Amino acid sequence: AQTVTQSQPEMSVQEAETVTLSCTYDTSESDYYLFWYKQPPSRQMILVIRQEAYKQQNATENRFSVNFQKAAKSFSLKISDSQLGDAAMYFCAYMAGNNRKLIWGLGTSLAVNP
Amino acid sequence: KAGVTQTPRYLIKTRGQQVTLSCSPISGHRSVSWYQQTPGQGLQFLFEYFSETQRNKGNFPGRFSGRQFSNSRSEMNVSTLELGDSALYLCASSFGTANYEQYFGPGTRLTVT
Repeated sequence: AQTVTQSQPEMSVQEAETVTLSCTYDTSESDYYLFWYKQPPSRQMILVIRQEAYKQQNATENRFSVNFQKAAKSFSLKISDSQLGDAAMYFCAYMAGNNRKLIWGLGTSLAVNP
Repeated sequence: KAGVTQTPRYLIKTRGQQVTLSCSPISGHRSVSWYQQTPGQGLQFLFEYFSETQRNKGNFPGRFSGRQFSNSRSEMNVSTLELGDSALYLCASSFGTANYEQYFGPGTRLTVT
């Protein structure tokens, strides 16, 4: 069975600094997708970034980038120039290519200190 | 383009009752997925509907059911509510084909007393 593990329940970063959130996953599939979602206190789940397993290049979306290590089954999220609005719960999620079911990690609560 | 909408946003029910939650996807999206979020279990997949057919199902008891209408709107029903059903229920929509990204609604907070 596929699993997603986020080993950091809580993290904090100073405003304007860089922080990296960790995620590992386990799967025997070769076709899959990985996502980072952000859930602020409003509880609205927001897609931050996605990565297709077949792509070697790491995905980037503005201040957000990932370090995808396929052999190590690692998918970390780097947030550069952290802003107060980045404070939220961050979830790593996996989706096998043959279904639409997202499998989630337990999340990392990120605090941004002014 | 309007986002995913869910109604109601908050709901309080008594144990043993049933409840129906509604989700309207983004225009053009044909797939709707439902997730349950609780502090203890985290986020768990309930089911996915595509073109009015259930395409995937999670490991939930038969008390949890859903359906999708021809306009892609979806409803989720929980019968014989238990205290453990208290959760945030999230609905996500996607095109359901090659484009696999899921976009979430604001959720329905269900409290069972």
